[in-house]
Amino acid sequence: NAGVTQTPKFQVLKTGQSMTLQCAQDMNHEYMSWYRQDPGMGLRLIHYSVGAGITDQGEVPNGYNVSRSTTEDFPLRLLSAAPSQTSVYFCASSYSSGEGEKLFFGSGTQLSVL
Amino acid sequence: GQQVMQIPQYQHVQEGEDFTTYCNSSTTLSNIQWYKQRPGGHPVFLIQLVKSGEVKKQKRLTFQFGEAKKNSSLHITATQTTDVGTYFCAGPRGSTLGRLYFGRGTQLTVWP
Repeated sequence: NAGVTQTPKFQVLKTGQSMTLQCAQDMNHEYMSWYRQDPGMGLRLIHYSVGAGITDQGEVPNGYNVSRSTTEDFPLRLLSAAPSQTSVYFCASSYSSGEGEKLFFGSGTQLSVL
Repeated sequence: GQQVMQIPQYQHVQEGEDFTTYCNSSTTLSNIQWYKQRPGGHPVFLIQLVKSGEVKKQKRLTFQFGEAKKNSSLHITATQTTDVGTYFCAGPRGSTLGRLYFGRGTQLTVWP
């Protein structure tokens, strides 16, 4: 199994450009989420989804859109990139085990906005 | 809102020394999880604690969940260079699954 696959691994954008970060999982997990990681700030939740067709905002949703049309895919869209969105982005999937969940992370996308 | 605070932010130890990182929540947590991220890598799940006062061990790593389920700790005995990385705690916000909130992490450096 591939687990959680993120593409691209690296991306450079100019301010105002748009792009989509792709995330796919092959574990049939119900839950998927996007995090951004900045130095000294840990992992901050952007958006999450509890199933196909259902999404909700996390801690830092502004400037990002998501959709979940299938269980496998959860793309993150930047509509108009800003330098403040320079970060490392991680997609994660998880399932409920009855007592909680554990996250499986993709390898990340390093995004620079100039 | 709920915050998950983690200290220290950095820890430098000599190989063989012990290491501890602490995690505190402003609210009671249904469970707490710990993740490790190697330099340049992605976070990897280590363990989940669910019960009040729970203690779990993984070789040289000992994880504790406080009696009030508001704090947790990770202790590494006799650190090795392979322990290098950033250790994160994470807790759920409310009862909704699918969203975990992470502490800022403790970056561990081990000198040989």
